[in-house]
Amino acid sequence: EIVMTQSPATLSVSPGERATLSCRASQSVSSNLAWYQQKPGQAPRLLIYGASTRATGIPARFSGSGSGTEFTLTISSLQSEDFAVYYCQQYNNWYTFGQGTKLEIK
Amino acid sequence: QVQLVQSGAEVKKPGASVKVSCKASGYTFTSYGISWVRQAPGQGLEWMGWISAYNGNTNYAQKLQGRVTMTTDTSTSTAYMELRSLRSDDTAVYYCARDLSWDSSSWYWFDPWGQGTLVTVSS
Repeated sequence: EIVMTQSPATLSVSPGERATLSCRASQSVSSNLAWYQQKPGQAPRLLIYGASTRATGIPARFSGSGSGTEFTLTISSLQSEDFAVYYCQQYNNWYTFGQGTKLEIK
Repeated sequence: QVQLVQSGAEVKKPGASVKVSCKASGYTFTSYGISWVRQAPGQGLEWMGWISAYNGNTNYAQKLQGRVTMTTDTSTSTAYMELRSLRSDDTAVYYCARDLSWDSSSWYWFDPWGQGTLVTVSS
């Protein structure tokens, strides 16, 4: 099983600042990586697939990068609605999720 | 629009079974798969398994093998997930999600997700 490790577990950032979230795979997943956003009481929402392609309707302040085993989700200028939990998911060999990064207001 | 609507919350006793439904609309049901994901209270996401709505093929997470069964009814565009021999640690919100994988030779991201079904296992 491919293990996905996200860091940090919690990230405190002020509105308007940049947030950088990391995700590492235990073995190469090529670019077969997605990012999801989950707000309290809601289902996850797809943000990024193919490591760097924004899903339909996702604002340009969200960007993804990386390949192989190291990936990054960057939110360029945090808005109030961006404070949530973010999960990475590999789909190179079936599916596994990272444990999540909680993005909180500083 | 593409939508997945799940059945309502359930309360079950240990040892019982639960069957959660997921009705799809807005797309050709048999051109995709459905994955099921669960989330225990305050925890992360755990993939449970996948079913092809095209041919009914399944693949289950190893830890749930023998306790979970996923099926589809193509006449109603509905997917089902049944979990048996429930334990307290099965208490979770269960999500279905559209999976672009219609066969098991390649895998894709999940979009969209159902609203979730809370299953509580308690004596």
